[in-house]
Amino acid sequence: QVQLVQSGAEVKKPGASVKVSCLASGYSFTSYYIHWVRQAAGQGLEWMGLINPSAGSITYAQKFQGRVTITRDTSTSTVSLELNTLTSDDTAVYYCARAPVGPPADWGQGTLVTVSS
Amino acid sequence: DIQMTQSPSTLSASVGDRVTITCRASHYVNNWLAWYQQKPGKAPKLLIDKASNLESGVPSRFSGSGSGTEFTLTISSLQPDDFATYYCQQYNTFSPWTFGQGTKVEIK
Repeated sequence: QVQLVQSGAEVKKPGASVKVSCLASGYSFTSYYIHWVRQAAGQGLEWMGLINPSAGSITYAQKFQGRVTITRDTSTSTVSLELNTLTSDDTAVYYCARAPVGPPADWGQGTLVTVSS
Repeated sequence: DIQMTQSPSTLSASVGDRVTITCRASHYVNNWLAWYQQKPGKAPKLLIDKASNLESGVPSRFSGSGSGTEFTLTISSLQPDDFATYYCQQYNTFSPWTFGQGTKVEIK
């Protein structure tokens, strides 16, 4: 069955970077886009970007341009999100999700990233 | 990026009520519009894509309509399992994707 398994919770200090990974299994990795979405406690969903694992092409939300990097490793069917220069506003649950072309229907379990001094 | 505005932000309703949530896009998105349901502590669940296509397994009391910049999600008869937060999302191919701010459906 389709699975998106994310890396574990992280605690980071302000100014640091964090890398969250998403291991895909149960389907053809290069046939589905992977999206990253985050959600701060009690807040709404915030789309961060997507990657086409086949072509390697990436689209980022304007808000995160220059501070976020999405990469993929086709040999391990893994997509990673790296976010730099963290502030307390980046404390959130980060989700990966897969989609053929349209909106994602399959989501990872979420990774809590806490930014605190 | 295209801005998505949902209304209302909170909606109080009773079981059996007909509920309508509106989503407005700042720019034309054709019918590239999805609706999600989210419950506390859970990942979002995709209900509708292409503005009106119901995902497999989603109850028929949910429906979506609209095109261009104005969209609606309707629940024809609210059930206890429907109390949740609903989000619209535009996925215009040539623009970064964006969510609306969410509509919380509460028990009246």
